[in-house]
Amino acid sequence: GQSLEQPSEVTAVEGAIVQINCTYQTSGFYGLSWYQQHDGGAPTFLSYNALDGLEETGRFSSFLSRSDSYGYLLLQELQMKDSASYFCAVPSGGYQKVTFGTGTKLQVIP
Amino acid sequence: DTAVSQTPKYLVTQMGNDKSIKCEQNLGHDTMYWYKQDSKKFLKIMFSYNNKELIINETVPNRFSPKSPDKAHLNLHINSLELGDSAVYFCASSRENNEQFFGPGTRLTVL
Repeated sequence: GQSLEQPSEVTAVEGAIVQINCTYQTSGFYGLSWYQQHDGGAPTFLSYNALDGLEETGRFSSFLSRSDSYGYLLLQELQMKDSASYFCAVPSGGYQKVTFGTGTKLQVIP
Repeated sequence: DTAVSQTPKYLVTQMGNDKSIKCEQNLGHDTMYWYKQDSKKFLKIMFSYNNKELIINETVPNRFSPKSPDKAHLNLHINSLELGDSAVYFCASSRENNEQFFGPGTRLTVL
């Protein structure tokens, strides 16, 4: 089966940098995705890493190490609107199934 | 212009009732999904359909019956609702499942 572990909560100061980690155990690995979900909203796709290394998209970057079964989402220049839950996710089952991590609730404080 | 839409947004009903949630996507995707998100925000896949065919059924009670009349629609019917069915149900679609597009969710409350 698949399992993905994330810290349950992280608090960071506006303007700072925060890293949200994800460790996974999967049978077959295609890549690691990240999603953001604001309270009361739907998850929205942020990034996908199929290969090792860092992918940058504006203030957000995502990193993957396949040998360590580990990835992280890096958020820079934090803004209050970044307060949300963040989920890592892995596709599996021949690309027909996605397993989501336990989710990390990020609180950005002034 | 909504990419993935669901109706209704809120559903409040009594235990034992039967209810349906509808989902439509206008993205031309081949694969559609139903997810359940519980009160602890854990997001779990229930069903996956590809071109109207059921691909994944994640040990969901058979009170839940999905139906895909065409590849743009995936509906969810729930029989004999139980208290534990209270959750937010999300429909999603994807072309390749590294990027999923989610509907706004249906908040189901069973009393």
